[in-house]
Amino acid sequence: EAQVTQNPRYLITVTGKKLTVTCSQNMNHEYMSWYRQDPGLGLRQIYYSMNVEVTDKGDVPEGYKVSRKEKRNFPLILESPSPNQTSLYFCASSLQAGSYGYTFGSGTRLTVV
Amino acid sequence: GENVEQHPSTLSVQEGDSAVIKCTYSDSASNYFPWYKQELGKRPQLIIDIRSNVGEKKDQRIAVTLNKTAKHFSLHITETQPEDSAVYFCAASKGGGADGLTFGKGTHLIIQP
Repeated sequence: EAQVTQNPRYLITVTGKKLTVTCSQNMNHEYMSWYRQDPGLGLRQIYYSMNVEVTDKGDVPEGYKVSRKEKRNFPLILESPSPNQTSLYFCASSLQAGSYGYTFGSGTRLTVV
Repeated sequence: GENVEQHPSTLSVQEGDSAVIKCTYSDSASNYFPWYKQELGKRPQLIIDIRSNVGEKKDQRIAVTLNKTAKHFSLHITETQPEDSAVYFCAASKGGGADGLTFGKGTHLIIQP
């Protein structure tokens, strides 16, 4: 089944404890991106990647890192999480060509206390 | 960077009536405009998209129109049904999706029986 898989689905952590949210797609998509969703603010882009080893900042990159060493994986790293990073996070991927749009993962609900 | 404004934030219509959601974007270089539907507790799902070389696109009860001069695009849903109740997001991209998506803040569509 074609899908974008995020793990974990839920995570509660403490301030300052490094964490990684994984994202993997099995559709051979070139484009991948991360978003955070907060009430009243909609979806805001954190980072995006056009292909392996090509990443760039979105609108809210502060406090986050990403890597794209393989085409299928695009992990989101929080080196020192803070409470203002409590949010619902979505990974998404898309084909380079055509009008297929982005397919979203199921989301990761992160709480930083 | 790109800025996408979406109106209204909440829209209540009678079942069977039409619903229209409007978005404006700021960057004239944007060339790809998708619409996503998000049901409560679910991931966003693409419902329709349009590229800048097209003025209108239809898919059954859903249509999107684009006015490049005014930097404005709209979602039209006809013959609304209870299952259309959800939050709808418009988005824009400069690179045909390669640079990810900049989203509007969303419209909560309520279909009254």
